Amino acid sequence: EDQVTQSPEALRLQEGESSSLNCSYTVSGLRGLFWYRQDPGKGPEFLFTLYSAGEEKEKERLKATLTKKESFLHITAPKPEDSATYLCAAGYQKVTFGTGTKLQVIP
Amino acid sequence: ETGVTQTPRHLVMGMTNKKSLKCEQHLGHNAMYWYKQSAKKPLELMFVYNFKEQTENNSVPSRFSPECPNSSHLFLHLHTLQPEDSALYLCASSQEGAGTPGGGYTFGSGTRLTVV
Repeated sequence: EDQVTQSPEALRLQEGESSSLNCSYTVSGLRGLFWYRQDPGKGPEFLFTLYSAGEEKEKERLKATLTKKESFLHITAPKPEDSATYLCAAGYQKVTFGTGTKLQVIP
Repeated sequence: ETGVTQTPRHLVMGMTNKKSLKCEQHLGHNAMYWYKQSAKKPLELMFVYNFKEQTENNSVPSRFSPECPNSSHLFLHLHTLQPEDSALYLCASSQEGAGTPGGGYTFGSGTRLTVV
């Protein structure tokens, strides 16, 4: 059974304090590893797709990396507006989602 | 209007009611999806439509009935629901057909459903 596990469940950071979110995956086949951002009361917003181990993608203060077993979402010098729940998903024919990491950035 | 639009945003219904959720995408995508999001649980895939044809029914109870009249519209018909069906129901679309998730999904803002 495909499984995607995210850690930590929740993370509180001071503004400017860099950190990383983890996504571990066990899937029968990997066509893509996806990161989404979800704000309260809204649907997830697509951030990145990673296809192969060693691949990296960046967007503003976010950088996603991929190994054969896990992906990291690095947040550099976060701002309060980065506060959200970050979801990871992986799979081949069907995409399995993790439960997310709720990030709070305090001014 | 662009993106994926879902209506209504909030819905409260009794267990004997019949209601429908609507989803519309203005992106020209080929695949559309219904997901259920409950607190502390990962998104659960319910149905997939690929070029208007249903290609996935993820063991969803028959009290949920999807309809896809064309590639831009998707409905979820609800009847005789249970309180445990209360959740956020999300519609999504993607450029490629389902099963080829080369890019990400575009989600709507969801319908917050409460069954009383």
